[in-house]
Amino acid sequence: EVQLVDSGGGLVQPGGSLRLSCAASGFSFSTYWMSWVRQAPGKGLEWVANIMQDGSQKYYADSVKGRFTISRDNARNSLYLQMNSLRGEDTARYHCARVTERTETTGGTDVWGQGTTVTVSS
Amino acid sequence: DIQMTQSPSSLSASVGDRVTITCRASQDISNYLAWYQQKPGKVPQLLIYAASTLHSGVPSRFSGSGSRTDFTLTISSLQPEDVATYFCQKYDSAPDTFGGGTKVEIE
Repeated sequence: EVQLVDSGGGLVQPGGSLRLSCAASGFSFSTYWMSWVRQAPGKGLEWVANIMQDGSQKYYADSVKGRFTISRDNARNSLYLQMNSLRGEDTARYHCARVTERTETTGGTDVWGQGTTVTVSS
Repeated sequence: DIQMTQSPSSLSASVGDRVTITCRASQDISNYLAWYQQKPGKVPQLLIYAASTLHSGVPSRFSGSGSRTDFTLTISSLQPEDVATYFCQKYDSAPDTFGGGTKVEIE
């Protein structure tokens, strides 16, 4: 079964740090781009970051650039999101997700983790 | 950055109705557009990619159309299990921005 399991969320004070993890199984993890997507309570989806198959290319939303770092360990089939200088507006459920190849005939995010909740509050 | 604008933000329709949701990109994104369905308390599910290709297992009452800046998701005959929020997302290049969402309810 293709599966993504997110973990690492919790309550953190403003300015603090947290590292999220995502364990992938059931597919060839090293052959896919991966993403983090977040959803604040009662709000829509917000793309956070993407990482290429070998980790050589990374892209970030302006709202997290310079504070968050996406990384992966293909030997461990794992995706990570290091979050520093956290703010109240980072409070959300964070999902790791598998991104299909971007071409004129393919694309989209086809597998989602259940998410892990990050709450930034004093 | 390219902005994605969905409309309406919510709608209410009867079972069996034809429902149309639109998504507009602020610049040309060719057909690099996906649609997702998110049911209450669940994770999003991919419905359509490349603007008009149905993802595996998605009922045929769902369809997508459009290119460049204007896109449409259509539910040909609304069913009770279609109550959800629908999102579009561009993926031509980062940032992979989502639209604001359209909440679909049954009258």
